[in-house]
Amino acid sequence: TQLLEQSPQFLSIQEGENLTVYCNSSSVFSSLQWYRQEPGEGPVLLVTVVTGGEVKKLKRLTFQFGDARKDSSLHITAAQPGDTGLYLCAGDRGGGSQGNLIFGKGTKLSVKP
Amino acid sequence: DTAVSQTPKYLVTQMGNDKSIKCEQNLGHDTMYWYKQDSKKFLKIMFSYNNKELIINETVPNRFSPKSPDKAHLNLHINSLELGDSAVYFCASSGRWTAGANVLTFGAGSRLTVL
Repeated sequence: TQLLEQSPQFLSIQEGENLTVYCNSSSVFSSLQWYRQEPGEGPVLLVTVVTGGEVKKLKRLTFQFGDARKDSSLHITAAQPGDTGLYLCAGDRGGGSQGNLIFGKGTKLSVKP
Repeated sequence: DTAVSQTPKYLVTQMGNDKSIKCEQNLGHDTMYWYKQDSKKFLKIMFSYNNKELIINETVPNRFSPKSPDKAHLNLHINSLELGDSAVYFCASSGRWTAGANVLTFGAGSRLTVL
């Protein structure tokens, strides 16, 4: 079974601090996605990384896909209370558009003003 | 317009009852899914349908029966509800690959509580 280990599970920081969330696996994925989920809502896609070593930036969020396509990280610079939420990484096992995504267990981020 | 809508949002019922959750997407996607999110927020796939055809059926009790009348709808019927079925159930859909990846659009979830 392919597992995605996500860490840390919980993160509570002050506004303005930086943080990094990690997503690791022993398996190779064709792509890796990051979602953010707010209470009472479904996960919403933030970014997809496809190429090994790829780095994508979304304002204060930086996403990186490992060279071997087994791991990924999400770095947030100068966190704000609006960043609070559950961050989920999801690995695509490949094989087309037939739902081969597996999810990590999530990182619950709380940013205090 | 909500892209993926599921009803009801909350469902409280007794053990042993039968209940259904409905899902509709207006994105024109070919593939729809049901995911279960437990109390620890772990999101696990249950079923996947592509153009009304069952593609993925993970290890789920046969008390759970999905039905897809057309590619825009995927309903979930649960028989003989058990306490352990309490969770948030998410419907999702995906279309053609976007930039080489299978991207999901989720509904807002249906919180099922079995008493």
